[in-house]
Amino acid sequence: AQTVTQSQPEMSVQEAETVTLSCTYDTSESDYYLFWYKQPPSRQMILVIRQEAYKQQNATENRFSVNFQKAAKSFSLKISDSQLGDAAMYFCAYKFQGAQKLVFGQGTRLTINP
Amino acid sequence: GAGVSQTPSNKVTEKGKYVELRCDPISGHTALYWYRQSLGQGPEFLIYFQGTGAADDSGLPNDRFFAVRPEGSVSTLKIQRTERGDSAVYLCASSLRGGGTYNEQFFGPGTRLTVL
Repeated sequence: AQTVTQSQPEMSVQEAETVTLSCTYDTSESDYYLFWYKQPPSRQMILVIRQEAYKQQNATENRFSVNFQKAAKSFSLKISDSQLGDAAMYFCAYKFQGAQKLVFGQGTRLTINP
Repeated sequence: GAGVSQTPSNKVTEKGKYVELRCDPISGHTALYWYRQSLGQGPEFLIYFQGTGAADDSGLPNDRFFAVRPEGSVSTLKIQRTERGDSAVYLCASSLRGGGTYNEQFFGPGTRLTVL
């Protein structure tokens, strides 16, 4: 079974600084997708960034970028120039290409200090 | 356009009661998903609909849980004989299609269920 592990229950960063959230996963599949979702107090999950496993190039979306290490099964999220609005729970998620369900990690609570 | 909506936003019930949670997906989305998020945890998959049929219900924890989507749009998650352990946020998501290719899942705000 696929599993996703986020080893950092909480992280904090100063506004305008850079922070990296860690995620590891376990799968025997070769074709899959990885995601980072943001969940603010409103509870609505918002997709931040996604990575296709077959792509070697790391995905980037504005201030958000990932470090995808397929062999190590590691998928970290880097947030540059942190803003107060970035404060939320962040979830790493996995989806096998042949399946529909997302498998989520336990989440990391990110606090931004002004 | 409107996003995924879920009603009620919060539901408090007593142990042993029956509850229904409703999800309105984004118009035109054929795939619909239910997840359960317990306190301090990530969401866990419950069931996936493609159109009117439940294509994958492997995440339903037991036969007290049942979901329907009779017209391929609105879905209702039904929980019989609720237990305190059913307390969680129930999230619904929809995507344009299902299938093996990537289709972004758009989430609703969830229903917080509290079983006393």
